[in-house]
Amino acid sequence: DGGITQSPKYLFRKEGQNVTLSCEQNLNHDAMYWYRQDPGQGLRLIYYSQIVNDFQKGDIAEGYSVSREKKESFPLTVTSAQKNPTAFYLCASRLQGAGTEAFFGQGTRLTVV
Amino acid sequence: KQEVTQIPAALSVPEGENLVLNCSFTDSAIYNLQWFRQDPGKGLTSLLLIQSSQREQTSGRLNASLDKSSGRSTLYIAASQPGDSATYLCAVDPRSGAGKSTFGDGTTLTVKP
Repeated sequence: DGGITQSPKYLFRKEGQNVTLSCEQNLNHDAMYWYRQDPGQGLRLIYYSQIVNDFQKGDIAEGYSVSREKKESFPLTVTSAQKNPTAFYLCASRLQGAGTEAFFGQGTRLTVV
Repeated sequence: KQEVTQIPAALSVPEGENLVLNCSFTDSAIYNLQWFRQDPGKGLTSLLLIQSSQREQTSGRLNASLDKSSGRSTLYIAASQPGDSATYLCAVDPRSGAGKSTFGDGTTLTVKP
């Protein structure tokens, strides 16, 4: 089945640790996105990539990093510089940019312990 | 800066009722608008995508309309069922082409049996 897979579903991070969230898609989509969702709020864009080996900062990129070495994969690293990382993280992909339908993964819930 | 508002934040209706969810946006220069459904602790599921040149889209019991000039979209759900209970989010894409969507905070719908 085609789709977007995020792993793990739950992730616990200790203070000062870097953690990496995985996002893989087999839809042959060019564009991929990372969003953060806090309780009762809409989604905020962290990073996006429109093509392999290129990515751009979104609205809340501080404390996060990404890579796009393969078309299918867009991992997100939450670094120790992110002071409030506890949130629900969602990965999305689209065939191209605006005008094409966005598809989402099932999310990763990150908790700082 | 684009702002997307969804009112009401929560809605409770008896089963079988027809209902309308509202989405308003401040900048009418959009590429498209997409409606999503989100179940608790899950990712977003795409419901309908309306291009800026379209007035409405239909899928089963769902009908979404778009009035770009007034900055409004509605999602009409016919003959609501308990399984429709979820949070519904709308998102608009600017004309920049990168697919950097702006999301509303969502309307949480409860359909009572």
